[in-house]
Amino acid sequence: DQQVKQNSPSLSVQEGRISILNCDYTNSMFDYFLWYKKYPAEGPTFLISISSIKDKNEDGRFTVFLNKSAKHLSLHIVPSQPGDSAVYFCAASIQGGSEKLVFGKGMKLTVNP
Amino acid sequence: DTEVTQTPKHLVMGMTNKKSLKCEQHMGHRAMYWYKQKAKKPPELMFVYSYEKLSINESVPSRFSPECPNSSLLNLHLHALQPEDSALYLCASSQDMTSGRAEAETQYFGPGTRLLVL
Repeated sequence: DQQVKQNSPSLSVQEGRISILNCDYTNSMFDYFLWYKKYPAEGPTFLISISSIKDKNEDGRFTVFLNKSAKHLSLHIVPSQPGDSAVYFCAASIQGGSEKLVFGKGMKLTVNP
Repeated sequence: DTEVTQTPKHLVMGMTNKKSLKCEQHMGHRAMYWYKQKAKKPPELMFVYSYEKLSINESVPSRFSPECPNSSLLNLHLHALQPEDSALYLCASSQDMTSGRAEAETQYFGPGTRLLVL
């Protein structure tokens, strides 16, 4: 049973436009959510996170929104740049719990110049 | 500084070989993790060490043997692997895994070791 879902396997956007990456989760116990970016043959790079006590967290071009009632989060990248082209993983965990990060399957973002 | 280093970057081994993967972090993190990642799949957790003690073993075959010599180092010893074990092996660390503080539980990943078993 997949607890963290990234239902769209890929997204293509034009440079300068907004990229919106979506993630849904099923476990209501999750209270900490993270986004990682991964280039081929490299380790995931931590991008941004949000705790369930917030509904928005912003860091430069990256903003994560959390809708707890819908069990949905999204990552907004604006403006998108070609260097943002990578696979993005959404992950969730329970703070102070068994530490496991539960990952979604990932979504490939392509930003076209 | 959020750097986790891993060596070697690439490794090719036969099914009868014994090899080790190494991971190092100098961020003072007390939790360290091994993950396995196959192409187009998310990372799969293998082992977790917390304060240098094995905290989680995700039912990993005994041909993988983790070791945490000190708080900065994490090894993964490999013996008698199978071709299906070929994957990217990722190490990660976090400040703490039981603090209940979000920032302390954020995991930072190394670049990985690309393993090919022939």
